[in-house]
Amino acid sequence: GQQLNQSPQSMFIQEGEDVSMNCTSSSIFNTWLWYKQDPGEGPVLLIALYKAGELTSNGRLTAQFGITRKDSFLNISASIPSDVGIYFCAGQLGGSEKLVFGKGTKLTVNP
Amino acid sequence: EPEVTQTPSHQVTQMGQEVILRCVPISNHLYFYWYRQILGQKVEFLVSFYNNEISEKSEIFDDQFSVERPDGSNFTLKIRSTKLEDSAMYFCASSDQARYGYTFGSGTRLTVV
Repeated sequence: GQQLNQSPQSMFIQEGEDVSMNCTSSSIFNTWLWYKQDPGEGPVLLIALYKAGELTSNGRLTAQFGITRKDSFLNISASIPSDVGIYFCAGQLGGSEKLVFGKGTKLTVNP
Repeated sequence: EPEVTQTPSHQVTQMGQEVILRCVPISNHLYFYWYRQILGQKVEFLVSFYNNEISEKSEIFDDQFSVERPDGSNFTLKIRSTKLEDSAMYFCASSDQARYGYTFGSGTRLTVV
């Protein structure tokens, strides 16, 4: 089946630092999504990307849909303690409703 | 903000028993989904449901699983004879269009003993 390779697996940063994580795949996706999951909760949608090359921001978060449609990155600027959590990328193939998730990036922010 | 509601939040069941996980999707949404997440692993697609029928399912969604929309507001996932490996968080999600990012519920933690 389709696989998304998400990296890094975990990050330990100081408050105020910028963060970058990315996902790559051998498959072409029509949609890329970035979710955040807090412990014991469901994934919460952060940013949705629908067109190759699209660059979208949501506050301190910026994500891009790669030109090849096989990758995406998420940047978080000026991190704060509440950014702690697991960030998942997810892709949606053309003609399919299902989301294929990456394995997640666990972010720890030290105050 | 509208949300997807799941009950119960935690269910413990004996192996071989049937369980029904319940979800109330966002009221004007038309597409419904179940995903699961085994502890510490990624979220995996189980099934999508639209217009009162399954529109897509994964290889995980075998004959032991079924979904139903018994009325205008609930969406259920039934596991007929639970196995130890069914222990996971089960997330319901809904969306108003198939292509757009959906809204997930907070999940039901199923523990099979």
